[in-house]
Amino acid sequence: KNEVEQSPQNLTAQEGEFITINCSYSVGISALHWLQQHPGGGIVSLFMLSSGKKKHGRLIATINIQEKHSSLHITASHPRDSAVYICAALTGTASKLTFGTGTRLQVTL
Amino acid sequence: EAGVAQSPRYKIIEKRQSVAFWCNPISGHATLYWYQQILGQGPKLLIQFQNNGVVDDSQLPKDRFSAERLKGVDSTLKIQPAKLEDSAVYLCASSMGRRNTIYFGEGSWLTVV
Repeated sequence: KNEVEQSPQNLTAQEGEFITINCSYSVGISALHWLQQHPGGGIVSLFMLSSGKKKHGRLIATINIQEKHSSLHITASHPRDSAVYICAALTGTASKLTFGTGTRLQVTL
Repeated sequence: EAGVAQSPRYKIIEKRQSVAFWCNPISGHATLYWYQQILGQGPKLLIQFQNNGVVDDSQLPKDRFSAERLKGVDSTLKIQPAKLEDSAVYLCASSMGRRNTIYFGEGSWLTVV
C-alpha cells in the first residue's frame, strides 16, 4: 500500500462542474503539497498546506490532519484545468516528499 | 522572479552513451532536488541537496548516475552509461528550505534508444 493514495485516478468532467480530488496518507506529515502537471510540461506547485484551508482563484485545498486526508476542489472547471494533479506529503526529519499516484483530469466543453 | 532553469529540454542518445543535465535553481534556494519521472508514473527522488551537501541519495543508482552541486548553486546530473530504462523526464526542483514551497523546472526529456 502506498503511503500516499489519491482518488480518483482518472476524472472526466464537463466545463463548469465542481471537481474534487482526494488524497489520503498513512504517515505523519509536516505539510502537504498539491501539484499540477500539464502534458509535456513541468510541475507547478498549487498549494502547500499544513492545516485548514487555502484558496487561490477557483482552486481550494483543505486538509484534515486528524483524519490524514486532503482534498483539492476546482470550482467552475474549464478545459484548461485538464492536467494531472498530484498530492505530495512532506515527511520525516529530512523532509522527504512522498508523491501520490496522480489524478488525471479531463475537462470537456 | 526567474524560475528553475533546466537544460537541455530534450535529448536522444543511444544506450551505453553518456548524458548530462544541468539545473540552475531559483536564486537563494538552499534545497535542490533531482527527480526521475517515467511516463505514467509519479516523480521519484534521485537526490536531494542542502546547499552543496547531499541529504538523500538513497534511490540514486550510483553505478551509473552521479550528481553534484558545486558551490551550492547550479547542479548537474550525469548518466553513464545510459540504459533503455533510463528514458524518462528528469525534473529539477528547488526550495528555500526543506519545509518551504517547492518549485519545479520544465524538465529534461531523455530518450535512450
